[in-house]
Amino acid sequence: KQEVTQIPAALSVPEGENLVLNCSFTDSAIYNLQWFRQDPGKGLTSLLLIQSSQREQTSGRLNASLDKSSGRSTLYIAASQPGDSATYLCAVGGADGLTFGKGTHLIIQP
Amino acid sequence: DGGITQSPKYLFRKEGQNVTLSCEQNLNHDAMYWYRQDPGQGLRLIYYSQIVNDFQKGDIAEGYSVSREKKESFPLTVTSAQKNPTAFYLCASGAAGSYEQYFGPGTRLTVT
Repeated sequence: KQEVTQIPAALSVPEGENLVLNCSFTDSAIYNLQWFRQDPGKGLTSLLLIQSSQREQTSGRLNASLDKSSGRSTLYIAASQPGDSATYLCAVGGADGLTFGKGTHLIIQP
Repeated sequence: DGGITQSPKYLFRKEGQNVTLSCEQNLNHDAMYWYRQDPGQGLRLIYYSQIVNDFQKGDIAEGYSVSREKKESFPLTVTSAQKNPTAFYLCASGAAGSYEQYFGPGTRLTVT
């Protein structure tokens, strides 16, 4: 059974820092990997999708990489801002649904 | 605007009652999904449907039922058989090919 782990569980950094969130998964036979953002009490917002044949995706200040062979993905956030404060979720899967990690709770201090 | 709507945002029920959560999408996606989120746990898959009139159990289907009579609608019924129904329920739809999932705003169900 697929298991997804996210490290760290929580992170607090000053505004302006670059940071890396980590995600690992146990079964490398995935269709895609998706990073989401969740604000308190809200639904999930899709940030980046990496399909299994891809190595990375970029959107603005966000960059996500995928190494299927080692079962790892990283989300890089450049020049962090207070508005980036949220819980970041990593999920792997495909047509039959996603398996989620428990998330990294990120606080950016002004 | 294209998107996924869930209603209501908050739902309160007495123990022993069945309750149905609504999920509608106008993204023309074939696949739809229901997840449950509990504090300290990741989202867990309840049911999914890849096409109208067909659906499959996810990891925690016991005590839940679904229907998929229309492409745009995927309602979830939480039955009295579900032992711990209080949770945040999230509906998603998936684009064919990439299966990138898009989520609704969620329904917070409280059963007392």
